[in-house]
Amino acid sequence: DGGITQSPKYLFRKEGQNVTLSCEQNLNHDAMYWYRQDPGQGLRLIYYSQIVNDFQKGDIAEGYSVSREKKESFPLTVTSAQKNPTAFYLCASSLQGQITEAFFGQGTRLTVV
Amino acid sequence: QQQVKQSPQSLIVQKGGISIINCAYENTAFDYFPWYQQFPGKGPALLIAIRPDVSEKKEGRFTISFNKSAKQFSLHIMDSQPGDSATYFCAGSGSARQLTFGSGTQLTVLP
Repeated sequence: DGGITQSPKYLFRKEGQNVTLSCEQNLNHDAMYWYRQDPGQGLRLIYYSQIVNDFQKGDIAEGYSVSREKKESFPLTVTSAQKNPTAFYLCASSLQGQITEAFFGQGTRLTVV
Repeated sequence: QQQVKQSPQSLIVQKGGISIINCAYENTAFDYFPWYQQFPGKGPALLIAIRPDVSEKKEGRFTISFNKSAKQFSLHIMDSQPGDSATYFCAGSGSARQLTFGSGTQLTVLP
């Protein structure tokens, strides 16, 4: 089955720690995205990548980092510099350069304890 | 800066009624307007989408109405069912193919 897999589903982090959220897709999509979802604020773009070894900042990139070493994988690291990291994180992918739908993973809920 | 404004924030409809969610966009470069449906604890899934060269698109009980001059579009859910209870997001996308989302509408359909 093709799709996007995010792991873990739930993640707890102590203040001051970095954590990495995994996102893997087997849809052969070139473009991948990370969104943050907070109640009443919709989905906000953190980072996106249109091709391997290249990525761009989205609207709220501060305190986050990404890598794109493989087409299938786009991990997101939430660093200790992110002041309010508790949120629902969503990874998505789409075909590059086409008007087409973005496919989303099931999300990772990160809680700082 | 919010480029897609969505209303209402929440909506309660009786079973069999019509649910209407409205969105307005600012970026005239947008050329693709999807609606996503999200159930609690899940990722959003594409429901229906429209391009600005048409004024309406219908898929089953779901219809998008698009007004290019007013820079507005809306989702109509006919014969709303309890299973339609979810959060709905409108979005716009331009040449960069990044989706800019509205703030979401939590729809509750009462049995």
